[in-house]
Amino acid sequence: DIQMTQSPSTLSASVGDRVTITCRASQSITSWLAWYQQKPGKAPKLLIYKASNLESGVPSRFSGSGSGTEFTLTISSLQPDDFATYYCQQYSSLWTFGQGTKVEIK
Amino acid sequence: QITLKESGPTLVKPTQTLTLTCTFSGFSLSTSEVGVGWIRQPPGKALEWLTLIYWDDDKRYSPSLKSRLTITKDTSKNQVVLTLTNMDPVDTATYYCAHRRGGDYVFDYWGQGTLVTVSS
Repeated sequence: DIQMTQSPSTLSASVGDRVTITCRASQSITSWLAWYQQKPGKAPKLLIYKASNLESGVPSRFSGSGSGTEFTLTISSLQPDDFATYYCQQYSSLWTFGQGTKVEIK
Repeated sequence: QITLKESGPTLVKPTQTLTLTCTFSGFSLSTSEVGVGWIRQPPGKALEWLTLIYWDDDKRYSPSLKSRLTITKDTSKNQVVLTLTNMDPVDTATYYCAHRRGGDYVFDYWGQGTLVTVSS
């Protein structure tokens, strides 16, 4: 099984900050990685697919990078609507989610 | 527009079998490379992928739950059914179904989720 490890688990930031979340795979997944945003009581929302492709309708302040085993999600300028939990997911071999990163207001 | 909605019991007893139905619209599960998956999330915890069925009736299961899971589809009714046997309180979670997009294979549309509580 492929394990996904996100860091940090919690991140405190202010509006306007640049935020970076890291996701590591236990083995190479090439670029088969997605990022989701989830708000309390809501279903996850797809942000990024194939490591760096922005889903239609997602603001351009979100970006993804990486390949192999190391990936990052960057929010270039944090907005009030961005306070949420973010999950990475590999889909190279079956599907596995990371444990999540909660982005909190500082 | 793609929509999915989960339905089923909100409360089940330990040892019982859970049956959930995902009813969808806006796509056909007979279209090449399309799939529908199930993902769950215990309260306050992370997402966990459970199972997926492809357009051609191929199926994938989480290795840790494979012995307890079954997924089926009814293409004419636009439904996918999940069964999970021998329910335990640790199976208490919100259960989501999601559309797996052909081509880049991500879960791009999700249902609203349904909370299932396991308790006697």
